[in-house]
Amino acid sequence: NAGVTQTPKFQVLKTGQSMTLQCAQDMNHNSMYWYRQDPGMGLRLIYYSASEGTTDKGEVPNGYNVSRLNKREFSLRLESAAPSQTSVYFCASRDRGPYPYEQYFGPGTRLTVT
Amino acid sequence: GENVEQHPSTLSVQEGDSAVIKCTYSDSASNYFPWYKQELGKGPQLIIDIRSNVGEKKDQRIAVTLNKTAKHFSLHITETQPEDSAVYFCAASRGGTGGFKTIFGAGTRLFVKA
Repeated sequence: NAGVTQTPKFQVLKTGQSMTLQCAQDMNHNSMYWYRQDPGMGLRLIYYSASEGTTDKGEVPNGYNVSRLNKREFSLRLESAAPSQTSVYFCASRDRGPYPYEQYFGPGTRLTVT
Repeated sequence: GENVEQHPSTLSVQEGDSAVIKCTYSDSASNYFPWYKQELGKGPQLIIDIRSNVGEKKDQRIAVTLNKTAKHFSLHITETQPEDSAVYFCAASRGGTGGFKTIFGAGTRLFVKA
């Protein structure tokens, strides 16, 4: 049981390049989330998927797109990377249902845009 | 919009002392308050949580208190150990449905000196 996995672990992009961050979970969770973490700002929600087939914007969606490929996988795409998107990106998942409402996080992807 | 304020941003204590981290939230509909610990290079991991119908919860050396009227909650770590050194995040959530979202505080970096 690997939990939440993310690829790649590190990536360097030039301004204007595109890339997709991959996330998968093996816990049969319904909901999945993408966050970015910047120094002094905690975790901010980019997009989330409450269940397979649905996606919604979070606090900071501009410049990103997502795809809920199936129940296990939720990808984040940067179409034209900008230096402001330099950050650490975390994917998380959560089961729907009664308490606890714990989110399980992946190990993160450290992205640098030059 | 909704926000969560967390203080202090950095906390340094001697091994064996207690550590307290405080958070306030703005969304009165929040009903679930998790605390996450993030070690270097890893994703956040839940250490304790509390629901809005409970005032206090304890798990070994860790306790959390919630004051709904004042909209603030706190994490208490007693008998701190060097392995408690990490970044701690508080969060406030509206829970219960697929539209569940979490707002995180900016984090507290805890140093426990041996």
